[in-house]
Amino acid sequence: QKEVEQNSGPLSVPEGAIASLNCTYSDRVSQSFFWYRQYSGKSPELIMSIYSNGDKEDGRFTAQLNKASQYVSLLIRDSQPSDSATYLCAVNRRTSYDKVIFGPGTSLSVIP
Amino acid sequence: GAGVSQSPSNKVTEKGKDVELRCDPISGHTALYWYRQRLGQGLEFLIYFQGNSAPDKSGLPSDRFSAERTGESVSTLTIQRTQQEDSAVYLCASSRLVEETQYFGPGTRLLVL
Repeated sequence: QKEVEQNSGPLSVPEGAIASLNCTYSDRVSQSFFWYRQYSGKSPELIMSIYSNGDKEDGRFTAQLNKASQYVSLLIRDSQPSDSATYLCAVNRRTSYDKVIFGPGTSLSVIP
Repeated sequence: GAGVSQSPSNKVTEKGKDVELRCDPISGHTALYWYRQRLGQGLEFLIYFQGNSAPDKSGLPSDRFSAERTGESVSTLTIQRTQQEDSAVYLCASSRLVEETQYFGPGTRLLVL
């Protein structure tokens, strides 16, 4: 089992719809969770971090964390063509020593 | 303050040559990561530093790859006897603490002919 898993996509949604991106992780004691966005040819940039169970909202973005299910998701409301990118989930693994592990990413395409 | 910087931004080299890539992290960041990203692929972890020590070198693809960090600041990634399969973007990231947000540099685009 990979430490951080994501659907590779591509995920296509129409403009204005809700895009739902999912991530599962294997380390039960992980404490820190991150969503990064990477545009083609650019470096990843942080969208949101979440540390507690529940929802965290920032503008059109909502991160959801369920530690019992080892699941973290990112919802993008009112999706825009400019949201088209690869979304990377990252989790702080705490076994042996701290290390942030990135998932393979989900490619999102928002269709005008 | 300034973000993470990397140099050179682009590097073209011939197969068999050695290359050295540099990363200047954000001042005060104790953790520094190196990743490789091939065209159309995900991030491939190479190595990370906590201070000047490297707790995890498991991602280095072969003994041709090495990295060091000095003064809890600048880091260099060295690739010896480059091969065509080394062609990729090499990304550096730093964070204040290991469990916190990573900030990425612009990357070095390496092309081995």
